[in-house]
Amino acid sequence: QSVLTQPPSVSAAPGQKVTMSCSGRSSNIGNNDVSWYQQLPGTAPKVLIYENSKRPSGIPDRFSGSKSGTSATLGITGLQTGDEADYYCGTWDSSLSAYVFGTGTKVTVL
Amino acid sequence: QVQLVESGGGVVQPGRSLRLSCAASGFTFSGYAMHWVRQAPGKGLEWVAVISYDGSRQYYADSVKGRFTISRDNSKNTLYLQVNSLRAEDTALYFCARHRSASLTANTWFDYWGQGTLVTVSS
Repeated sequence: QSVLTQPPSVSAAPGQKVTMSCSGRSSNIGNNDVSWYQQLPGTAPKVLIYENSKRPSGIPDRFSGSKSGTSATLGITGLQTGDEADYYCGTWDSSLSAYVFGTGTKVTVL
Repeated sequence: QVQLVESGGGVVQPGRSLRLSCAASGFTFSGYAMHWVRQAPGKGLEWVAVISYDGSRQYYADSVKGRFTISRDNSKNTLYLQVNSLRAEDTALYFCARHRSASLTANTWFDYWGQGTLVTVSS
């Protein structure tokens, strides 16, 4: 059972914006940076956001991340059909001495 | 370019063992910590283990502690995962991933992933 909670699904029309949350506790999100991963169907995960809000080279600025307290948020603007995927947050948990992933959020473009 | 290629998966009976490998290329393997992450069919990502750049430190998920061993051979640019006492719930696609962050534990993230090797535990 994951210690980071995400909504199972979010959806919006093309061109619109979606946000998804990642809720944890002081031992994980509260004291460590969060990263976000996109997993397209049948492929390996790809990092979208690291250190809460930074984008790796090649990731468009339509993707944004933020963190406040024990929660983090991923936003996607200008939604495209190619954004349909599963999205996972992740961070280190200092109490568990383990990395933890969120439960995952499926994005659907209506 | 960075490449991570996993191998060693297959169909195995409960209680048996396997050794998974991850061949790395395109970067200085000995300079990076490495992780194993797994994904059961139709399920989410589950972190399995991490090993430091020199192999001196390892951390494991509670679900595999005592049964799985992560190791590396920097002379061969290869990461390993020895999986023992396999259970049905270990059935998953196993990914290796490169660690990023100055610390082995805090602020961890993964910048490159392999395509995975499938382990199926079934009698």
